[in-house]
Amino acid sequence: ETGVTQSPTHLIKTRGQQVTLRCSSQSGHNTVSWYQQALGQGPQFIFQYYREEENGRGNFPPRFSGLQFPNYSSELNVNALELDDSALYLCASSPFGTGAHEQYFGPGTRLTVT
Amino acid sequence: QQQVKQSPQSLIVQKGGIPIINCAYENTAFDYFPWYQQFPGKGPALLIAIRPDVSEKKEGRFTISFNKSAKQFSLHIMDSQPGDSATYFCAASRDAGNMLTFGGGTRLMVKP
Repeated sequence: ETGVTQSPTHLIKTRGQQVTLRCSSQSGHNTVSWYQQALGQGPQFIFQYYREEENGRGNFPPRFSGLQFPNYSSELNVNALELDDSALYLCASSPFGTGAHEQYFGPGTRLTVT
Repeated sequence: QQQVKQSPQSLIVQKGGIPIINCAYENTAFDYFPWYQQFPGKGPALLIAIRPDVSEKKEGRFTISFNKSAKQFSLHIMDSQPGDSATYFCAASRDAGNMLTFGGGTRLMVKP
């Protein structure tokens, strides 16, 4: 069984640019959550997707947006990148029937904004 | 209040020792408390989780103790091994929200 996968592994962008990060959820999982983890800190919740709709959002500005596709995979888009957006972006998927409590994380995408 | 406070920030134990990591929360609506283990360059891995209706849960060498009245919970690692050296995060969530609120993390080093 394949776990949660994310792409790309890492990337470097310039301030003001836009970026799209991708996540494939684990088989049997239907909910996807995104988190931002700054160096040396715990992950911070960005938003969650269920049935292709946003199902909760943390304290992040609207330039952070997302999508979920019919196969439960997901994208995180960040517009107008700022230096503080440099972080590890984590995707987590949750199995059917767990109410999204059980969250299984992918390896993350390391984003560096210069 | 959504914050989860974790201590200590770092911990060094000898092989075979029992490191204990503590977390405290304020929001009484939290009803699910997982612990994650994260190695450098990897995503967090779910270790063990507990609900507030039980005071203790064991899975292998990992044990969660939960004190609902004190709003505290802790992770104990029995017979710790050098391979347990990692950063550990506690977290909490509530039914209505499903977002995980994480503690700040504890960097554990187990010396051979």
